[in-house]
Amino acid sequence: EAGVTQFPSHSVIEKGQTVTLRCDPISGHDNLYWYRRVMGKEIKFLLHFVKESKQDESGMPNNRFLAERTGGTYSTLKVQPAELEDSGVYFCASSQRPANYGYTFGSGTRLTVV
Amino acid sequence: AQTVTQSQPEMSVQEAETVTLSCTYDTSENNYYLFWYKQPPSRQMILVIRQEAYKQQNATENRFSVNFQKAAKSFSLKISDSQLGDTAMYFCAFMKHGDAGNMLTFGGGTRLMVKP
Repeated sequence: EAGVTQFPSHSVIEKGQTVTLRCDPISGHDNLYWYRRVMGKEIKFLLHFVKESKQDESGMPNNRFLAERTGGTYSTLKVQPAELEDSGVYFCASSQRPANYGYTFGSGTRLTVV
Repeated sequence: AQTVTQSQPEMSVQEAETVTLSCTYDTSENNYYLFWYKQPPSRQMILVIRQEAYKQQNATENRFSVNFQKAAKSFSLKISDSQLGDTAMYFCAFMKHGDAGNMLTFGGGTRLMVKP
């Protein structure tokens, strides 16, 4: 089966610009998660979708971040406007339910804000 | 809230030898799951091994095994017969049981280098 696909793999943008990250989960996986790792720190949870609904968005840092999941398929994470501290690696993962057997992660998007 | 600590930012091991990566965690939960994930350079993170806290038997997957000490809240990963392909970042992670969101809490990671 195809894995979790994220693109772009790398993105370099200027402060104040907008960037949209995309994640295509494994087909049939209801759960979709976004995580990020900033400046070599721990990987932190951002939010969780079940199908098209946001189950938990407690990890979203502020209102510059907007996540959507169209029709319960792919998801996008938009950062607008981007700030320097948003630089990091953004991971997407998907799982069937329940998720306690572990997720399947994508390769991540490395975002650099300059 | 849960915390996960990996006290070894970097480690190295000679090919074919054995290495142990440390992980400790803090939680007030009694039932939970623990994971080790591996992220090779420029590649996706993959699940190495999973442990259910209510099972006393340590999980094993081929050359990978864990030493799960629930009372000590310790969950170390042992890699036997290390191979060059084991070079990667290793992340320890925690998940509460019955958590509707199944959120993972990660440690800071250990960078493992396997030397020929």
